[in-house]
Amino acid sequence: QSALTQPASVSGSPGQSITISCTGTSSDVGNYNYVSWYQQHPGKAPKLMIYDVTNRPSGVSNRFSASKSGNTASLTISGLQAEDEADYYCSSYTSSSTRVFGGGTKLTVL
Amino acid sequence: EVQLLESGGGLVQPGGSLRVSCAASGFTFSNSAMSWVRQAPGKGLEWVSVISGSGGTTYYADSVKGRFTISRDNSKNTLYLQMNSLRAEDTAIYYCAKSIRIAATPDYWGQGTLVTVSS
Repeated sequence: QSALTQPASVSGSPGQSITISCTGTSSDVGNYNYVSWYQQHPGKAPKLMIYDVTNRPSGVSNRFSASKSGNTASLTISGLQAEDEADYYCSSYTSSSTRVFGGGTKLTVL
Repeated sequence: EVQLLESGGGLVQPGGSLRVSCAASGFTFSNSAMSWVRQAPGKGLEWVSVISGSGGTTYYADSVKGRFTISRDNSKNTLYLQMNSLRAEDTAIYYCAKSIRIAATPDYWGQGTLVTVSS
């Protein structure tokens, strides 16, 4: 149950786009379309932003999009806004019927 | 409106036990799988355990297997996590979360309860 691999930090200026990668294995990301992304602001509970690789829950801005290729999933945030500054976590279902999270990526809006 | 309210956290000595609870409302509890996810201070999210809607199927992270037990009381719309043989590394905020089935993404999360294991 090794954690998925995410960059520790990414940054971008308001209005720009950024992409966060999430690398797993053929036992998790590569074999299931149950990849999701969460946003977490300091002191708050995680908020679901993307589920089943590409789907946005109701109420989530269409500035958030995601994709998957092989063992790597990606989250793209376009038109960066100050309120997007947060920690982002990817997650995947695994072949052991468990769930694994990435180590988290801190997004800084410059 | 979906609401998940954790309780029961606190300070416990190494080797001790604690049970945390999660009271659910706003959805059909018995139709939902429920998970526990924890976050150590300043660290990332770590999945702990999941239970099916009926309670008949459970899975655990290797780090807690044999020490923690997840359970639910569908008549009370409440999820539990019994934690035994606690270690310092179990110190974390414990979140409960719901999903439509075990494999599905946890969509709604509670605000968490802090468990501190220290002498």
